[in-house]
Amino acid sequence: GAVVSQHPSWVICKSGTSVKIECRSLDFQATTMFWYRQFPKQSLMLMATSNEGSKATYEQGVEKDKFLINHASLTLSTLTVTSAHPEDSSFYICSARRLGDSDNSPLHFGNGTRLTVT
Amino acid sequence: GQNIDQPTEMTATEGAIVQINCTYQTSGFNGLFWYQQHAGEAPTFLSYNVLDGLEEKGRFSSFLSRSKGYSYLLLKELQMKDSASYLCAFMDSNYQLIWGAGTKLIIKP
Repeated sequence: GAVVSQHPSWVICKSGTSVKIECRSLDFQATTMFWYRQFPKQSLMLMATSNEGSKATYEQGVEKDKFLINHASLTLSTLTVTSAHPEDSSFYICSARRLGDSDNSPLHFGNGTRLTVT
Repeated sequence: GQNIDQPTEMTATEGAIVQINCTYQTSGFNGLFWYQQHAGEAPTFLSYNVLDGLEEKGRFSSFLSRSKGYSYLLLKELQMKDSASYLCAFMDSNYQLIWGAGTKLIIKP
């Protein structure tokens, strides 16, 4: 159990366009979802934390108007990269904490989305 | 402040044993995680330590010393499929994960 599906796996878009990435918990309800970004050979960087039905909490330095996060249900969170630029090209990964799990329980990760902005 | 450090890259031989070290500094601690990440894929959970000592799980074991701010991941009977990056991450007082940059493990036949 505890499968997280992330879609799409990869996407190429033109500079200035917007891209939506979906993160779904398939067999559990997720109270909290986390969005990470990972550049090559670097650590995972937390972008934002989203809780179902409330506004996402963004990490310092992450533009909330550029990276729109919606967590409309206990099984779905979306990240929209608006007006994408080449420097936004990265590996975006979502993870989820299962409803009822403790705060220090392992997170369940999606398979990531490779975004390339040309 | 907070920081976490692990070697960038290690090389080992198929069938051998390798130990990947991780050191960290933090004022609040709620456990240390090890994840495996193959290139282009998301991390998968390997182990969690919150108390001092060794946790064994098949070919993988993880050790923690909270007083030293030190952990290691021990991989035995290495297989080619173990070639991956290994990420350590500690959970701070706010239950936020702080990630290391990962150790790329190269397994040679």
